[in-house]
Amino acid sequence: DIQMTQSPSTLSASIGDRVTITCRASRDISDWLAWYQQKPGKAPKALIYKTSSLESGVPSRFSGSGSGSGTEFTLTINSLQSDDFATYYCQQYNIYPITFGQGTRLEMK
Amino acid sequence: QLAESGGGSVQSGGSLRLSCVVSGFAVDNYAMGWVRQAPGKGLEWVSGITEYGGTTYYADSVKGRFTISRDTSKNTVFLQLNSLRAEDTALYYCAKFGHGYNPDVFDLWGQGTMVAVAS
Repeated sequence: DIQMTQSPSTLSASIGDRVTITCRASRDISDWLAWYQQKPGKAPKALIYKTSSLESGVPSRFSGSGSGSGTEFTLTINSLQSDDFATYYCQQYNIYPITFGQGTRLEMK
Repeated sequence: QLAESGGGSVQSGGSLRLSCVVSGFAVDNYAMGWVRQAPGKGLEWVSGITEYGGTTYYADSVKGRFTISRDTSKNTVFLQLNSLRAEDTALYYCAKFGHGYNPDVFDLWGQGTMVAVAS
């Protein structure tokens, strides 16, 4: 199975900050990487697919990128807003079994 | 929209059948899946079924115990849970693949149905 490792596990930030979350795959997944946002008591919401494509309706302050190696990916949130404090998960969909990162909790500093 | 039901409390070794009623699209137009989340933990993919229903997929942790299926006449996807264990305790989400790939990103999720297994 492909292991997905996110860092950091917890991130403290302030309104207006730019934050970056990293996701590493245990082997090459090309660009088959998605990011989700989950708020307490709610279902996850897809933000980004295929490493860098924004899902419909997602604000442009969210962006995704990959290093080109197929194993290292980042989610960047520019100009952090209060609504962005949540837990973020990466997901690989290169091959079954689908696997998720362990999550990054973004909290207010 | 996806609406899950069928969760509940059950003894270890017991069974449950989860349902996911789909509205707004036909289940035979999209691949679907189930993802679970244990209390306070992360997301774990459990099972998937292709839009044609001919191919199913399972996580190793549930293979041989869980069965995914669908009824196109009811526009519903099911997950049969047998031989339940304490570690199956979780909120079970039904979710839809979004971009025509297999596997794919889950672009639509239900609100989940809770399964609690007492050991």
